[in-house]
Formats: sequence, structure tokens, C-alpha cells
Amino acid sequence: EPEVTQTPSHQVTQMGQEVILRCVPISNHLYFYWYRQILGQKVEFLVSFYNNEISEKSEIFDDQFSVERPDGSNFTLKIRSTKLEDSAMYFCASNNPRDTEAFFGQGTRLTVV
Amino acid sequence: AQSVTQLGSHVSVSEGALVLLRCNYSSSVPPYLFWYVQYPNQGLQLLLKYTSAATLVKGINGFEAEFKKSETSFHLTKPSAHMSDAAEYFCAVSRSGGSNYKLTFGKGTLLTVNP
Repeated sequence: EPEVTQTPSHQVTQMGQEVILRCVPISNHLYFYWYRQILGQKVEFLVSFYNNEISEKSEIFDDQFSVERPDGSNFTLKIRSTKLEDSAMYFCASNNPRDTEAFFGQGTRLTVV
Repeated sequence: AQSVTQLGSHVSVSEGALVLLRCNYSSSVPPYLFWYVQYPNQGLQLLLKYTSAATLVKGINGFEAEFKKSETSFHLTKPSAHMSDAAEYFCAVSRSGGSNYKLTFGKGTLLTVNP
């Protein structure tokens, strides 16, 4: 069964460093999302992406965040200068127009030290 | 705007007892509703979803939920709890129709199952 794949599963980075989280959505999907879950808290929407542009973003998704679909298969989330409070689990999701749900990856746990 | 309220951040039941996890939603447009389960240090697994067909929805692992528009509720139930049901459960809402399934999640309910 096709699935959304996220790499790495766990990334540790130093405060102030740039980090790129990678996602491979299901191959025929056209809508892509990033969500964040700080430890012990709820899952929060960051951004949705369609037709090579951001379709919606939350207040959390400020100038230090960016997303890109650099080729036909990857969808990346870049955090330019990481802060301690960026430590969280980041989930990627995708769907195609005929789906009634978005499909989630297993997440990348980002730890900023 | 959409929002989800999950009543009870922690629910504890005995093995074999009824599980009831409460979810109320607010939405200015007809919603789709979802329940996800998250085991420790794992990702989100979809339990079930309401997408404007039957109001009583059956999901995996014996869970079901009923959409009640008049009460703006989508409570999750299971007749008999099993130890393996211990996890965090999240209710979520999205807009119906269209293809952009931006989800708004509740704060989650941690289910503990006692032997």
C-alpha cells in the first residue's frame, strides 16, 4: 500500500542551524501539508501546498519556515535558523483531489539543542 | 473558522469496560470529522472518519463514532476496552468538499486501560 515517507525519523540540530525535513508524498497526490506537534501538545497545522505554491499557512509558519517541492517526488520543510522551541514532531501529509482524507507520514522528531 | 474541543485530557477505564471519548466541534461550513490514535513515539493512525455519508461510522479496532449535527458532537466509543487501546486519541475537523484537507485537531485525550 502506498504511504507517505519522511526522513530522517529523528534529527538533532544545534540552535541557529538550518534544517531541512524531507517527505515523499504518495505518488499521484497533489495536495501537501506540514503539521507540527510539540511534545505533549496537540497537532498543529503549519502549511498546505498545491500547484507549486502555498495555499494556506498558519500563524506559526513565519519567515523562518519555507516549503518546496524541488522535484516530482519530494516535499521539504526548511527551518532557516532553528530555535529551541522548534523542537517537535513534524508530520507531512498528502492527498489527491478524490480523497476524503489526507494521509500522514510517520513523522520526523526534531530536537534543537 | 473551525475548532475542536475534546472533553477530558485523560480518561481511565478498566479492561472490558466501555470507552467513551468526547469530541465537540465548531465549524461554519459542513465538516468532515476524524479520529486519530497515536501510540507513544509513533505517528498518527486514522481510526475512522465522517464524510457526510452515514452518521454512525465504524472504524478499526472495534471503534465507532456517531456524528450528531444538533449537538455538534462526534464522540468515539468502543464497547469493551482492551489493554492495547491505551494511547492518545485526537479528534480533528476539516472542511467538507473541495480537496484541501487542512485539519484542525483537538488537544487529545490520553486513554489509560487498567487490568
